[in-house]
Amino acid sequence: EAGVTQFPSHSVIEKGQTVTLRCDPISGHDNLYWYRRVMGKEIKFLLHFVKESKQDESGMPNNRFLAERTGGTYSTLKVQPAELEDSGVYFCASSHRGWGGEQYFGPGTRLTVT
Amino acid sequence: SQQGEEDPQALSIQEGENATMNCSYKTSINNLQWYRQNSGRGLVHLILIRSNEREKHSGRLRVTLDTSKKSSSLLITASRAADTASYFCATDSVNDYKLSFGAGTTVTVRA
Repeated sequence: EAGVTQFPSHSVIEKGQTVTLRCDPISGHDNLYWYRRVMGKEIKFLLHFVKESKQDESGMPNNRFLAERTGGTYSTLKVQPAELEDSGVYFCASSHRGWGGEQYFGPGTRLTVT
Repeated sequence: SQQGEEDPQALSIQEGENATMNCSYKTSINNLQWYRQNSGRGLVHLILIRSNEREKHSGRLRVTLDTSKKSSSLLITASRAADTASYFCATDSVNDYKLSFGAGTTVTVRA
């Protein structure tokens, strides 16, 4: 069984530019989550999809962040326009349907905004 | 605010020794999970313990949970160099699947 994959692994962009991160969850996992870790801070929740619906987006920092999960499969997280404080590692995780059990994480995307 | 807090922040041990780290949390939980992150890599799920469980084992890992003290411990026995990593505890709540992470414990296993 393939794990959670994320693309790209690393992105370096300038302030004001747009970046789109992609996450492919484990096949059959209805729950998909985005988290991020900014420098020196703990890993923080961003949002949770159940299939294609946003279940909880309470962790999204502001309206420069837009997450989508069309068709309930892969998800994208767009940052537009990027700011310096957006730099960090963005993790995606997935878990089985309707079960608050193990969340399996991807390798993360390291975003550097200069 | 941060839900879980790991203690100690850093731990250095000799290969073959045991490593113990603790996690404290603030609010009632449904599950508590431990993850490992090797340098520059993703989070690897180690073990999940439910709020009605007190102890769980997986290979060289032993996790305990004391809900009355709102704390958990992770014991790694007979440590190896490959165990060098950061370890995080994460909690979720009933009907709230999002995980709240602690700041992590960095473990260094010396050969």
